[in-house]
Amino acid sequence: ETGVTQSPTHLIKTRGQQVTLRCSSQSGHNTVSWYQQALGQGPQFIFQYYREEENGRGNFPPRFSGLQFPNYSSELNVNALELDDSALYLCASSPDIRGRGETQYFGPGTRLLVL
Amino acid sequence: ELKVEQNPLFLSMQEGKNYTIYCNYSTTSDRLYWYRQDPGKSLESLFVLLSNGAVKQEGRLMASLDTKARLSTLHITAAVHDLSATYFCAVDMARGATNKLIFGTGTLLAVQP
Repeated sequence: ETGVTQSPTHLIKTRGQQVTLRCSSQSGHNTVSWYQQALGQGPQFIFQYYREEENGRGNFPPRFSGLQFPNYSSELNVNALELDDSALYLCASSPDIRGRGETQYFGPGTRLLVL
Repeated sequence: ELKVEQNPLFLSMQEGKNYTIYCNYSTTSDRLYWYRQDPGKSLESLFVLLSNGAVKQEGRLMASLDTKARLSTLHITAAVHDLSATYFCAVDMARGATNKLIFGTGTLLAVQP
């Protein structure tokens, strides 16, 4: 059973550019959540996808968007990058939309630097 | 707005000592999570606490949950250097275990020999 994987591991972009980050959920997991973790902060919830539909969103602007595919892998897209978007982006997968006592499993993250 | 606060933010302790990290949250939540993060790494799940009075232990770490007080504690017994990391608590945004988590600010634990 493979864990949660993310790509790329590191990325450097400039202001105004667009970026796509990818996440492959753990086998059998149909729910993926994305988090942004700025340096020295706790992760902040961006949004969640369940069976290819967005299922809840945190306090992030519309230029943060996502997709989930039939195999439950997911993408996070960020348009018009700003310096403050520099952070570690984490995805987490869980077996179901409800925790049912199980935790979600986090991927290794993508570290994005916006110059 | 749901808020999760941890204290202390930074904890320097000697090997062999005991200490407790506190996590307070502002609204009712069904469950509370504890995670560990090593520098430059992702989050490792430590505990999921599902009900009032829940207590879980793994090695030198023990977590408890008091939903009435909206308080969870992570107790460290006889600390060793390998426990040095940042510890986060987190709660679900809404009742019913949505897996949409609000994290605390984290507690950076440094265990000195």
